[in-house]
Amino acid sequence: QKEVEQDPGPLSVPEGAIVSLNCTYSNSAFQYFMWYRQYSRKGPELLMYTYSSGNKEDGRFTAQVDKSSKYISLFIRDSQPSDSATYLCAMGIYYTGANSKLTFGKGITLSVRP
Amino acid sequence: DTGVSQNPRHKITKRGQNVTFRCDPISEHNRLYWYRQTLGQGPEFLTYFQNEAQLEKSRLLSDRFSAERPKGSFSTLEIQRTEQGDSAMYLCASSLVEDGYTFGSGTRLTVV
Repeated sequence: QKEVEQDPGPLSVPEGAIVSLNCTYSNSAFQYFMWYRQYSRKGPELLMYTYSSGNKEDGRFTAQVDKSSKYISLFIRDSQPSDSATYLCAMGIYYTGANSKLTFGKGITLSVRP
Repeated sequence: DTGVSQNPRHKITKRGQNVTFRCDPISEHNRLYWYRQTLGQGPEFLTYFQNEAQLEKSRLLSDRFSAERPKGSFSTLEIQRTEQGDSAMYLCASSLVEDGYTFGSGTRLTVV
């Protein structure tokens, strides 16, 4: 079993839909959680970062973390064609003064139809 | 300096050749990471520098791979005797603290 599992895609939704993207993880040591957006042939771009259970909102995006269930989600409200991209969840462990490497999910490709 | 810069953007090489990629991080960032991403997969950690010191290498980094970060500034990743399985996107990222990861656009390597 991989440390981070991400719902398989691709996912196609109409413009204006609410999108829910999900990841589960097996390593209870993970302390912080990120969502990245990656456009074709580009590097990942950080969308959301959180380290506690609960919800964090930023504009149309909400990141949700449930550490007891080892489950994180990203919700996109009022989805736009410009949201069409691959979304990657990533997780890490704090080590003071040391490596903060991230473990990524496989990514899910989202297409928002006009 | 507004981002992480990687060169070249795309490299096509014949099997058995050596290749070198360069990463210029955000200037004030002391942490630098290399990741590899294959089609349909998320990025996988390769190696990490804090300033000029290489502090961790993944088991993915075989002895054909070497990375340097002289003087804690730019970094290079060299692959010797390339194999077709090395074809991937090589991503560099830099940060000041754990939550400030900024990725470059990557170098896409194609080994023919």
